[in-house]
Amino acid sequence: DIVMTQSPDSLAVSLGERATINCKSSQSVLYSSNSKNYLAWFQQKPGQPPKLLIYWASTRESGVPDRFSGSGSGTDFTLTISSLQAEDVAVYYCQQYYTTPLTFGGGTKVEIK
Amino acid sequence: EVQLVESGGDLVQPGRSLRLSCTASGFTFGDYAMGWVRQAPGKGLEWVGFIRSKAYDETTEYATSVKGRFTISRDDSKSIAYLQMNSLKTEDTALYYCTRDQQLDSWGQGTLVTVSS
Repeated sequence: DIVMTQSPDSLAVSLGERATINCKSSQSVLYSSNSKNYLAWFQQKPGQPPKLLIYWASTRESGVPDRFSGSGSGTDFTLTISSLQAEDVAVYYCQQYYTTPLTFGGGTKVEIK
Repeated sequence: EVQLVESGGDLVQPGRSLRLSCTASGFTFGDYAMGWVRQAPGKGLEWVGFIRSKAYDETTEYATSVKGRFTISRDDSKSIAYLQMNSLKTEDTALYYCTRDQQLDSWGQGTLVTVSS
């Protein structure tokens, strides 16, 4: 199984400041035949189901604000919130869909400082 | 608008069975893989499995933790996906989400399964 490791477990960021979440996979999720990274990011607010934010490591889902961006390739990925807003308080998960079993990172809780 | 509505969650004893349903609307159900992800109380997300579309022979994939006990099926005529759970264990207690596609691009609100004696 591909193990997804997120860091940090939690972080507190001031409103308007940048938040950065890291995700590392135990093996590459880059599919060489199409040069796509099979990596997604989800946001889960309290009491709500997860919401897909980013897929193919860097493609924003429709309707997701452009302050959210994804980067990285192979085994190392980053989710960046460029200017944290109050509504961004949530737990963020990375997930690989390169192969089954699909696996998630342990989650990163983002709070306001 | 894509909508996924789960139902069937309940309190059951260990060793018993339960079937969850996911009723979909707002998209061509038969064109998509459908799956399930669960979340134990206060914990992270765990993929359970999915079923591919008819175009891919409705083949299924499962997490190791549920393989042989859980079965996913679908009825494209009714736009419903099912999760049949047998030999339930206390560690299966979770909120079960229905998901669309292997990219998990849509989620339902979840249905709660509690396994306890």
